[in-house]
Amino acid sequence: AQKVTQAQTEISVVEKEDVTLDCVYETRDTTYYLFWYKQPPSGELVFLIRRNSFDEQNEISGRYSWNFQKSTSSFNFTITASQVVDSAVYFCALSGPRGSTLGRLYFGRGTQLTVWP
Amino acid sequence: DVKVTQSSRYLVKRTGEKVFLECVQDMDHENMFWYRQDPGLGLRLIYFSYDVKMKEKGDIPEGYSVSREKKERFSLILESASTNQTSMYLCASSFEAGVLHEQFFGPGTRLTVL
Repeated sequence: AQKVTQAQTEISVVEKEDVTLDCVYETRDTTYYLFWYKQPPSGELVFLIRRNSFDEQNEISGRYSWNFQKSTSSFNFTITASQVVDSAVYFCALSGPRGSTLGRLYFGRGTQLTVWP
Repeated sequence: DVKVTQSSRYLVKRTGEKVFLECVQDMDHENMFWYRQDPGLGLRLIYFSYDVKMKEKGDIPEGYSVSREKKERFSLILESASTNQTSMYLCASSFEAGVLHEQFFGPGTRLTVL
């Protein structure tokens, strides 16, 4: 069965600090997709990144970077030089098992990040 | 840009009422989803649909039903609202083309059942 664990329930940092949000997943599939979403206080989830299991290259987008390691079943998200606007709940998600109805995602419970000025 | 809209941002209903939550997407997506979000529990899937008139139960379908008569619209129905259905409800949609695509979310409906 698919499972996503975000062990950090809440994280608080001061502006300009770097912060890493952890995501560990479980699946028996060899082909799967991983996602990160951001949910700001307004409530709407915003898609950040999608990664497939064949692409283990780290990705950087501005202050955001993602580290995908199949060996440890982790897909961690780092924000460099955090800003107050980064305060949000961040969700990691995993695609459904092979052969299941396409499109379903399994979400972790989320990490509340608070960045203080 | 993909837009997913939900009929209400806030809704207050009484126990026993029948409640309709509407979701509309404008990008011709095949897949649509309903989640509820509660503190500490993350997003839990209620129902999803991969085509018109097709639906599948998610993890917590009890007390809910859905309707998808048109491709762009996916409705969540609480047949007889109860206080334990007070929650944030999120609708999402995604494109279906053999490769898994990301889900796009609406702004959510915060439902309070008194």
